[in-house]
Amino acid sequence: SQQGEEDPQALSIQEGENATMNCSYKTSINNLQWYRQNSGRGLVHLILIRSNEREKHSGRLRVTLDTSKKSSSLLITASRAADTASYFCATDQHLEGGGADGLTFGKGTHLIIQP
Amino acid sequence: DAGVTQSPTHLIKTRGQQVTLRCSPKSGHDTVSWYQQALGQGPQFIFQYYEEEERQRGNFPDRFSGHQFPNYSSELNVNALLLGDSALYLCASSLARDGYTFGSGTRLTVV
Repeated sequence: SQQGEEDPQALSIQEGENATMNCSYKTSINNLQWYRQNSGRGLVHLILIRSNEREKHSGRLRVTLDTSKKSSSLLITASRAADTASYFCATDQHLEGGGADGLTFGKGTHLIIQP
Repeated sequence: DAGVTQSPTHLIKTRGQQVTLRCSPKSGHDTVSWYQQALGQGPQFIFQYYEEEERQRGNFPDRFSGHQFPNYSSELNVNALLLGDSALYLCASSLARDGYTFGSGTRLTVV
């Protein structure tokens, strides 16, 4: 089953504009990660935010996390044509007693940057 | 420093056949996870290997099995292939649970 749900499913903006994608999840998490995927190829790790963090920056990326609302947002500022890709949020769930349960991905947001 | 390497990149198999996919983790990583990504969907967790043992498994039937070798590389085996097994299979390696590194995937088509 997929825990994360990205919104919107697709987004088309002009180059130079900012792009915001949202992610909601259902269970308690250790961390939340954002990935980018170009044309059905491998996933590229963008940023990880831990459950005790509220905001994180990396270059043109800004991620927020609201654990009370079980939601996260990814902001890409000053978008470029090369940012065109699918973006996925993935949660690393908190399990009682520790252990690993893999990442749970949403269906992704397909972002198109128009030149 | 090589990232995660998967082979083959593309594969076409006939329904009912068996397939083996391979993954070499990023240098220094000891944990390998496998994911299935159907067209238009997000990746789904199949299982994870650590210290040559399956540590956790997602909601996949026993037709899906795996192995991890002493050098941390891993194989994913799928028996009795169904048309619905057609997907992109992704391998991810990690050290502990931070920052997974994904390979480019193997595109499996079952005809």
